[in-house]
Amino acid sequence: DAGVIQSPRHEVTEMGQEVTLRCKPISGHDYLFWYRQTMMRGLELLIYFNNNVPIDDSGMPEDRFSAKMPNASFSTLKIQPSEPRDSAVYFCASSSGLLGELFFGEGSRLTVL
Amino acid sequence: DAKTTQPPSMDCAEGRAANLPCNHSTISGNEYVYWYRQIHSQGPQYIIHGLKNNETNEMASLIITEDRKSSTLILPHATLRDTAVYYCIAANAGGTSYGKLTFGQGTILTVHP
Repeated sequence: DAGVIQSPRHEVTEMGQEVTLRCKPISGHDYLFWYRQTMMRGLELLIYFNNNVPIDDSGMPEDRFSAKMPNASFSTLKIQPSEPRDSAVYFCASSSGLLGELFFGEGSRLTVL
Repeated sequence: DAKTTQPPSMDCAEGRAANLPCNHSTISGNEYVYWYRQIHSQGPQYIIHGLKNNETNEMASLIITEDRKSSTLILPHATLRDTAVYYCIAANAGGTSYGKLTFGQGTILTVHP
């Protein structure tokens, strides 16, 4: 398996623009997580899904952020409108949920100017 | 989740064992100890986890004290590629807390020739 696949790897955009990050989890995994990493706050969980249903979105910073999982093989994290403070590396991870490990993707580095 | 405390940095000579300590004195009975690492510019990578028994896999060994208030991750023969930030996390492994890993600052392990 190719692992968790994220796109784009790098995104540079201007303040106010819409940003969409994409994630393809490992086939057969029924948990999907979105994390964000910054120097100031470290790694923090934004939202996670189980069987395509959002379970906990308490980490989503504000209404500008939204996440969807239309099917078992695809999820998006959208920021609209984007702000400079959203600049971070966004990681997607998936898991089989059997007390096992989370498999992280390589991340999407977002820079909002 | 219980708070964990790790030294900010450690050094290790290549080929020697790296012993990374972690304190989790407030860990509850149903919380597991997880170890992840993050190599520069990559997503976090699962290493090992345990509840109260010592665990070993192809990457490392995890030694948990009998009172479960601390643990040690052992990389038996460190290589330069083991240079990374190592995170010790205490977390529930089920229910709505699943996957809500709280990453602290971790220990920066530097393996030198």
